[in-house]
Parts: sequence; C-alpha cells; structure tokens
Amino acid sequence: EDKVVQSPLSLVVHEGDTVTLNCSYEVTNFRSLLWYKQEKKAPTFLFMLTSSGIEKKSGRLSSILDKKELFSILNITATQTGDSAVYLCAVVDNYGQNFVFGPGTRLSVLP
Amino acid sequence: DAGITQSPRYKITETGRQVTLMCHQTWSHSYMFWYRQDLGHGLRLIYYSAAADITDKGEVPDGYVVSRSKTENFPLTLESATRSQTSVYFCASFPLVGGENTGELFFGEGSRLTVL
Repeated sequence: EDKVVQSPLSLVVHEGDTVTLNCSYEVTNFRSLLWYKQEKKAPTFLFMLTSSGIEKKSGRLSSILDKKELFSILNITATQTGDSAVYLCAVVDNYGQNFVFGPGTRLSVLP
Repeated sequence: DAGITQSPRYKITETGRQVTLMCHQTWSHSYMFWYRQDLGHGLRLIYYSAAADITDKGEVPDGYVVSRSKTENFPLTLESATRSQTSVYFCASFPLVGGENTGELFFGEGSRLTVL
C-alpha cells in the first residue's frame, strides 16, 4: 500500500527563521512527488519533483527529492507570517492518477 | 468564471439521510477526484474518474457513490449518511497533456459536511 509520512506534524517558529519540512514515501512505481500549501481553503500547488538531486525553487521556498532514500524536503527561508499553513506532500504513481497525500505539516509563523 | 466549484459549501444533515455534494469544472479536465480531509489523515481519496462514464474506487469508498455522465460534473452521494462521514470534502481535477500528468491538481473550495 502506498504511503506518505510527513514530519514534523506541527511546527511553530518566529518570523525570519528557516524551516525544513520532511516527506518520506513508499510507493509502487513512483512517478512524481508534489508539495501543496493549504491555508484556510483548498490546497495550492507549490512544486512537482520527478528527478533526484534537482532543486526546485520559488522565492524563499525550495524543494529537493532523493529517490534512493525515498524522501523529499521543503525548505522555507526567512519565514513570514503569511507562510503559516498546512504543507502537504503527495506522491503519484506511474499511472499518473493515484495521488497519495501525507497528513501534512502545520506550520505556524509567529511575528 | 472558469474553475472548479463545489456546492453546497456547508451542509448539516442527520444520520441516515441521503446527501449529494456537487462538483463542476469548466476546463474539460479528464480526471476528477473526490477527497475527504480529516484531522491527522490528510487527504484521502474516495473515488476518481478518468473520463465520463469511467469511475473507480479510491482508498475510502465505502458509503459513497459517484457518477460522471458529463465530463464537467462529478457528484458525490452519501446514500445513508453516518457520523463518521462528517468531514471536509474536496473535489479536484487535472488535465492530461499529451498523455502526461502535468502534476497540478486543481482543487475546489471544499464542502464541509456535518452529520448529526
């Protein structure tokens, strides 16, 4: 059974801190790993990772995948209160239609 | 407006009642999904559909029924609601571009269902 584990489940930091969120997975026929940010409503897409060692970057957010060790990290530098959200990790199998989500990491950034 | 819309956004019902949550997308995306989101479980797949008239079970399908007679609509029905079905339900879709999953799931705003 495909499985995604995220850690920590909850994290409280202060503005300006750097955080690292972890995602490990077990999936048959891995195709890609995705990160989403969920504030009060629907999740919004951040990154899709398919290859090991290639960092994806968007502003203060970056992510990398290790397909050998079956994990990914999401880094947020110089955190802001607007980064407060639940960050979801999902993996997709080779059929491209089975998105398995982890439980999410709830990040709270205090002013 | 283009996008994916869910209705109702909030619903309170009683145990044993039938409830239908509607999902409508204007992009003509091939794939559509229903997820439920509960604390500690993240998003769990209930059902998905690859195209009109093609549906398949996800991780937690028991107690739910779906249909997809038109590409743009994917209603989810709870035939006899139970308290354990109290949850936030998200509909999502994505297109296939050249046979490839682009990676981005587009989500509706969610439907919060409370079963008393």
